[in-house]
Amino acid sequence: DAKTTQPPSMDCAEGRAANLPCNHSTISGNEYVYWYRQIHSQGPQYIIHGLKNNETNEMASLIITEDRKSSTLILPHATLRDTAVYYCIVRVAMDSNYQLIWGAGTKLIIKP
Amino acid sequence: SQTIHQWPATLVQPVGSPLSLECTVEGTSNPNLYWYRQAAGRGLQLLFYSVGIGQISSEVPQNLSASRPQDRQFILSSKKLLLSDSGFYLCAWSVWRGPLSTDTQYFGPGTRLTVL
Repeated sequence: DAKTTQPPSMDCAEGRAANLPCNHSTISGNEYVYWYRQIHSQGPQYIIHGLKNNETNEMASLIITEDRKSSTLILPHATLRDTAVYYCIVRVAMDSNYQLIWGAGTKLIIKP
Repeated sequence: SQTIHQWPATLVQPVGSPLSLECTVEGTSNPNLYWYRQAAGRGLQLLFYSVGIGQISSEVPQNLSASRPQDRQFILSSKKLLLSDSGFYLCAWSVWRGPLSTDTQYFGPGTRLTVL
């Protein structure tokens, strides 16, 4: 079962910041939060990940609440090419490796 | 840089026929390899993962099997396909750097399988 909850869909105007929320209230202390996106009929693309601190890279920013029960992915200046399904994922330990637990994601539509 | 290949891109197979999907990774050594399946409108479901040649772990009981004959080659197979095997199959790789590392998974382009 998915450990995250996301809204099924969101709209955002082109050029504005897109803020995608995610709830992960049962996350454990050593479990990372990952974000991927999937453009229709393509393989998922890694965006960013974090544990406790806020993170930023060339694609996005990740804001994690102090209690780690929720996070927000921010695309600072959305373009039409950012239209995709965005997945918030918790990475859990399994044997000697880790597993990404995927939910249904948020379909983000960027409108001109 | 690392590259992951999957083929074929699309496949239509009759029920009861065999299946072989191939995934290869370039530009890295001893990667962890993964097979996922995605049903329409859903998230990804992990099917198999491998931490080395000949080492396969199965996450979901099913009609499928996986093999890793070479370090950077991962194969998904079935002897007899079922209608329920239809879906989008994705291969991914990561590099394990120890328990404190964050081995990010990177995905291939996928194979869309339709079983009729």
